[in-house]
This record gives sequence, structure tokens and C-alpha cells, in this order.
Amino acid sequence: DAGITQSPRYKITETGRQVTLMCHQTWSHSYMFWYRQDLGHGLRLIYYSAAADITDKGEVPDGYVVSRSKTENFPLTLESATRSQTSVYFCASSKGVPETGTRGYEQYFGPGTRLTVT
Amino acid sequence: AQSVSQHNHHVILSEAASLELGCNYSYGGTVNLFWYVQYPGQHLQLLLKYFSGDPLVKGIKGFEAEFIKSKFSFNLRKPSVQWSDTAEYFCAVNPYGGSQGNLIFGKGTKLSVKP
Repeated sequence: DAGITQSPRYKITETGRQVTLMCHQTWSHSYMFWYRQDLGHGLRLIYYSAAADITDKGEVPDGYVVSRSKTENFPLTLESATRSQTSVYFCASSKGVPETGTRGYEQYFGPGTRLTVT
Repeated sequence: AQSVSQHNHHVILSEAASLELGCNYSYGGTVNLFWYVQYPGQHLQLLLKYFSGDPLVKGIKGFEAEFIKSKFSFNLRKPSVQWSDTAEYFCAVNPYGGSQGNLIFGKGTKLSVKP
């Protein structure tokens, strides 16, 4: 049971380059999320997806693009990397989201990608 | 805006000491509550969760948390910490009815346990 995987685990790139971070989950979870983790900020949502072909912005979406052509994959692209995008990126998935009258769902996190933009 | 506050940035304890990490959230409606742990260099792992029912929840590795609705709090406790508990701990809230469904995280509390 592979769960949720991310690649690459580590990436160094230069300012202005395009970078794509991959995320793959084997559970067929409907929801997938991209967070970035920065010192002093905790985790902040970049983008999320409720299902294939349905994506929307989170708290800090500027400079990022996502797609979700298949349920199991949710790549995150930095169109033109900047130093401020140096961070650790976590992908997560869940079966659903809490709605009135239904139980909650936990999110499962991938191992993270440490990205350095020089 | 919804937010989660973790009052302690860095906590240093000796082994066998008791632990309590504070977490407060700002959201008036129904929420799901979580504590995640991140060991050095690793991804986030779920320690425990609260969806409904008994406000005292038990998680893995001897951790427990108490949901006090009137105080908007979900504090994490452990009676006796071990060196292996050295990690960063994140409180997170998942509001009901939120279209995004994402977790709103606190900034984390780093726990260092001295052997």
C-alpha cells in the first residue's frame, strides 16, 4: 500500500525556471491539497482539488498552477520560480470534507518536497 | 478569518515530565480538530482527532487531547514524555461547511525532550 507519494523529495532550481512537483495517491481519495510549510507560518494551503478537473485556490496561490486530469495525481507547477518559493511542499489527500450532519475526514500527508530556489 | 493559535513556540522538557500544549481556534461553528506530529525530517503524522462525542480523545503514543467547546480549545497532553517525543506538533482545525475542506494549521510547537 503505497499511500501518498511525492517526487522529487529534494529539488534545487534557479530563479525563473519552471518546476513541477508531483503528487500521487493510491486510495482514490476525492480531495487533494497542496500546502507549503515555512518557519513561523505552519502549513498554508496553496491549492486544493475536490475531484478530477476541479481545482481552486487556497490561501497562497500566487505563482503556482495545478492540474488534476486523473484522480490519483495532483501536480503543482511553479511557473517561474522565485526565492520566496523556497519551502517544503506537502501534498495531502482525504476522502471528503466535513459537512453538516456527516462525519469528518482526516487528511493524509505525503513525505514532502524540499525545494530551494537560488 | 479562521485561525488557530498555538501559544508555545518552543517547549523544553526533561524525560518523564508532563506535557501540555495549548491550542485555540477562532471559528464559531462546528469543527473537526486534529493534532499532527512531525518528527525531524519526516512528514506529518496524525496523533489524534476529534469529530464528535467524548471531548477527551486518546491518540497514539500515550497522547490525549481535550476539546473544550466553550473555550475554543483543544489542548494536547501527555503524562510523561520521552526523548523520542522530540518533534514539532501542529494543531489543525477543519471547519464544517467550508468549501475548501482544508485544514487550518497553527504555527506549530517545537518540543525538545532532554534525556
